[in-house]
Amino acid sequence: GAGVSQTPSNKVTEKGKYVELRCDPISGHTALYWYRQSLGQGPEFLIYFQGTGAADDSGLPNDRFFAVRPEGSVSTLKIQRTERGDSAVYLCASSQDRAKDTEAFFGQGTRLTVV
Amino acid sequence: GENVEQHPSTLSVQEGDSAVIKCTYSDSASNYFPWYKQELGKGPQLIIDIRSNVGEKKDQRIAVTLNKTAKHFSLHITETQPEDSAVYFCAASTSFGNEKLTFGTGTRLTIIP
Repeated sequence: GAGVSQTPSNKVTEKGKYVELRCDPISGHTALYWYRQSLGQGPEFLIYFQGTGAADDSGLPNDRFFAVRPEGSVSTLKIQRTERGDSAVYLCASSQDRAKDTEAFFGQGTRLTVV
Repeated sequence: GENVEQHPSTLSVQEGDSAVIKCTYSDSASNYFPWYKQELGKGPQLIIDIRSNVGEKKDQRIAVTLNKTAKHFSLHITETQPEDSAVYFCAASTSFGNEKLTFGTGTRLTIIP
């Protein structure tokens, strides 16, 4: 597809379980971003990749959260020992380059519910 | 860190009238201010952005103004249409680009036919 694709679209998991959320950016986009959006709030920055490396992971709330982008394309956000407070929509975005005048395109998000 | 406040949280306007949404930011180093539109079940979509080297930018019915002294920026939508109904978010960053955007809390805009 032409846009940012996130899978799954919905994920329900039990408290304490491990989950992985996947993001397929637009082909050729070197920059990739993860945000978390709680109900009724604006997106909250988690992590930003430039190529394969995490250029800024200052938004990850704690060490239960980890993200990778091993080949500079697909990224996976990993959450260990999930808590009910992790329930939110996780959004991924990509852009051609961080420095140039380019648009960040968002996916539709993965709605994570921890029960 | 940066804090972005957005007002109002909800806004209803008659079709054809104008809508204005306002945001303030706290970090004087912020230099990039995008506005996003989010429809139900979808991710945010960029509608307009402005950088700190200009005070105003317009794209058809949409305009954004920036007052760096007051740390304030606004979205103006003229001749509103039903398809403008959505949640709008302002955001700010210090990187002249998309890294580490700080978003406002959103404005739910409803256009009344």
